[in-house]
Amino acid sequence: GNSVTQMEGPVTLSEEAFLTINCTYTATGYPSLFWYVQYPGEGLQLLLKATKADDKGSNKGFEATYRKETTSFHLEKGSVQVSDSAVYFCALSFVGSGGSYIPTFGRGTSLIVHP
Amino acid sequence: EAQVTQNPRYLITVTGKKLTVTCSQNMNHEYMSWYRQDPGLGLRQIYYSMNVEVTDKGDVPEGYKVSRKEKRNFPLILESPSPNQTSLYFCASSLWSDGGNSPLHFGNGTRLTVT
Repeated sequence: GNSVTQMEGPVTLSEEAFLTINCTYTATGYPSLFWYVQYPGEGLQLLLKATKADDKGSNKGFEATYRKETTSFHLEKGSVQVSDSAVYFCALSFVGSGGSYIPTFGRGTSLIVHP
Repeated sequence: EAQVTQNPRYLITVTGKKLTVTCSQNMNHEYMSWYRQDPGLGLRQIYYSMNVEVTDKGDVPEGYKVSRKEKRNFPLILESPSPNQTSLYFCASSLWSDGGNSPLHFGNGTRLTVT
């Protein structure tokens, strides 16, 4: 079956530090890949996505590149801010030949950014 | 505004007292799903629905019921809540018919406490 593995947190950084959150996946077929962000007290919201190999998704200074050869979709940001403190979820979705569609999520990585 | 609306945001109840958490989306999405989020366990899928009158079990369906009589609504029913159902619940929807390229849209969550 499909699965997503992301690094465990919490990840603790100082403001303006470089961020990487690793995400690797296992999937039959060619999934679309997503990063979602959950701010305290809120639901998950889409941060960025990529739908095919070598695509780069980007939003709010965050980037991730769909690497089919390493089955990875690592999230990066060059300079984090305190307001980036949140939980980040890597996810994939895929529609199987039989019409099955079950989005799959990683466990989430908590990011804490100190001033 | 495109959104998924869950109600209530907070609910405290006692063991055995039936309750319903409502979920409604205004994006004409075929797919809707319920998740629970618990510390250290990430998101776990309870039930999902691929379209009206089509529902199926997720990873943790025991103790829950759902129905999908209309495309926009997908209520979660706890017939006899127990303390182990204390959790943060999220409803989500998406347009799966585009091959899984569209993201999930999440509600803001319902924090349920069962005493």
